[in-house]
Amino acid sequence: DTAVSQTPKYLVTQMGNDKSIKCEQNLGHDTMYWYKQDSKKFLKIMFSYNNKELIINETVPNRFSPKSPDKAHLNLHINSLELGDSAVYFCASSKRQGATEAFFGQGTRLTVV
Amino acid sequence: AQTVTQSQPEMSVQEAETVTLSCTYDTSESDYYLFWYKQPPSRQMILVIRQEAYKQQNATENRFSVNFQKAAKSFSLKISDSQLGDAAMYFCALGGATNKLIFGTGTLLAVQP
Repeated sequence: DTAVSQTPKYLVTQMGNDKSIKCEQNLGHDTMYWYKQDSKKFLKIMFSYNNKELIINETVPNRFSPKSPDKAHLNLHINSLELGDSAVYFCASSKRQGATEAFFGQGTRLTVV
Repeated sequence: AQTVTQSQPEMSVQEAETVTLSCTYDTSESDYYLFWYKQPPSRQMILVIRQEAYKQQNATENRFSVNFQKAAKSFSLKISDSQLGDAAMYFCALGGATNKLIFGTGTLLAVQP
C-alpha cells in the first residue's frame, strides 16, 4: 500500500499547455503539501492545505492552482506551462499542522519543451 | 526568517566506515523539529531520522544517529558502518509552527566499495 501516491510520475508537455498532477494519501493525515525541487535539487514549499483549507501559498504564480476535494487528496493544476516550470513536484502529507514529519510521494518529473 | 545550511555539497565514505554530514540552522521559534531526509537516485524522499528541539537526548535509528547541539544550532547526521545503499542525496530540514519544512541544499554522499 503506497502511503502518498502521485500521478503521473513523468509528464512531458509543450509550452502553453495546461496539465494536472494528482495526489492521494491513505495515512489519514490532516495536512498536505506541494513542494517543488528545481534542477539544483533545491526543495521549496509551494502550498499547504489543512483539512481542505489553504494554509500556505508561498508566492507561487497564479498559473498554479491547487485543489483539495477532501483531506486525502490534493491536486495541482498548472495553466500556460512555461519552460521554467520544468522541475520535480512532490506531494507530501503530515499528521497535523506544525510540520511534524512529512511523508512524500514519489514525485512527478515535469518537463516543458 | 528560518534557514538551513548544509556546507558540504559532496562527501565520500568507504564501505563499513563512518561519515558525518553537517547541518546548521536558524530559527526564532522555541518549539521546532529537525529532520534528515534521504533521496536516492529513485528520487523518493525518505525520512531517515527526526529530532524534537525540546528533547536533549540525541535521536538514533539503527546505524543513523544525530548530534543535536541546540545552543550552537547544529544538527549533524552520523552514518555508521556505511553501506552501498546509503549512497544518496541527504537533506537536512527544519519544521515548526510555520507549517512547512525548510530544506538545506543537500549533501551528495558517495559510498566507495
